[in-house]
Amino acid sequence: QQQVKQSPQSLIVQKGGISIINCAYENTAFDYFPWYQQFPGKGPALLIAIRPDVSEKKEGRFTISFNKSAKQFSLHIMDSQPGDSATYFCAATSGNTGKLIFGQGTTLQVKP
Amino acid sequence: EAQVTQNPRYLITVTGKKLTVTCSQNMNHEYMSWYRQDPGLGLRQIYYSMNVEVTDKGDVPEGYKVSRKEKRNFPLILESPSPNQTSLYFCASRNAGTANTEAFFGQGTRLTVV
Repeated sequence: QQQVKQSPQSLIVQKGGISIINCAYENTAFDYFPWYQQFPGKGPALLIAIRPDVSEKKEGRFTISFNKSAKQFSLHIMDSQPGDSATYFCAATSGNTGKLIFGQGTTLQVKP
Repeated sequence: EAQVTQNPRYLITVTGKKLTVTCSQNMNHEYMSWYRQDPGLGLRQIYYSMNVEVTDKGDVPEGYKVSRKEKRNFPLILESPSPNQTSLYFCASRNAGTANTEAFFGQGTRLTVV
């Protein structure tokens, strides 16, 4: 049972374009939705996160859009750069719990 | 430097030979977790611990054991490894609290079971 579903599995974008990765969740108790970025040979690292009381959060070129009623959230990377080429994971968790559930991951390639 | 340290980074072993992957964090975090990463399946939680002597199963615990005798260490034990446990493993730690916090990951351990 995949509680967080992520798409697409892979994405190719031209430099300067917009990259969009989508996630959907099932558990309405989730209250924290982070995105992690992973470069080859490295562990994932936190990129940006949002709570369900806001519909959007922006940090530089990275924006999370959150739709609570649809139980969906997405990552937008504006002006995508080759250095953004990495694997991106959405995740979700709730309250004071040790469980952090990840999506399947999206491999992003930004072509120069 | 704040970090999560896993050892070894690479391991090739044979079916049935017990092995332990160590994980240590120096940030005094309460929560620690083990994940396995497989293509198309993302990161799946194996076990997690909310504090010393407190552990619980994640989504794919079969074939694995863990222990949390000290706050900083959270070893992953494969009593009888099988080829389907060939994977990339990550240890992670984060602070407890009502405000959900950032998870810090180790560099990963690539395990091959032949």
